[in-house]
Amino acid sequence: GDSVTQTEGLVTVTEGLPVMLNCTYQTAYSDVAFFWYVQYLNEAPKLLLRSSTDNKRTEHQGFHATLHKSSSSFHLQKSSVQLSDSALYYCALSEGNYNVLYFGSGTKLTVEP
Amino acid sequence: NAGVIQTPRHKVTGKGQEATLWCEPISGHSAVFWYRQTIVQGLEFLTYFRNQAPIDDSGMPKERFSAQMPNQSHSTLKIQSTQPQDSAVYLCASSLAPGGNYAEQFFGPGTRLTVL
Repeated sequence: GDSVTQTEGLVTVTEGLPVMLNCTYQTAYSDVAFFWYVQYLNEAPKLLLRSSTDNKRTEHQGFHATLHKSSSSFHLQKSSVQLSDSALYYCALSEGNYNVLYFGSGTKLTVEP
Repeated sequence: NAGVIQTPRHKVTGKGQEATLWCEPISGHSAVFWYRQTIVQGLEFLTYFRNQAPIDDSGMPKERFSAQMPNQSHSTLKIQSTQPQDSAVYLCASSLAPGGNYAEQFFGPGTRLTVL
């Protein structure tokens, strides 16, 4: 079955520095989309990024991610983090028209002054 | 647009009692999903409705969990004989009809269930 792996449970970064949150996946399907959802404390998860195109960079709110099917990865990056980026970040995939999201275990990002 | 509405926001039950959680999807959204969130397991898929019809309940614990969508404006998740391990935040999400655009799911605020 499909699986999404986020290797870092906790990431702490100093404000102004770059960050990369890792996401790798396994799927038997070719028609798959990938997502990053962000969940701020006591809020609902919200879509941050999505992509289904190989080797195309997707950007939103200063974050970017590129789907690399050759390495089965969809890492999330930001060049300069802000205190307000502190949140729980989930990587997820869905298959074609099916739309059920299969989430990774999540990475808690803490940005320190 | 009020977003996805979930009630109650918090529910405390005793072991063995029943819990019913309610979800009102965004008007016009034909797909409704239920997920469970715990610190240990993260976000897990439970069940999925499309145009009120059950499509996939592969994530549901079969014996005590059930979900319904009697009309397009609400869905319920019922847990019978609740157990402490059912304690979690239950999230409902809705989206437009699935298609090639990989529709965004909009999540509700969740119901925090605590089983004592």
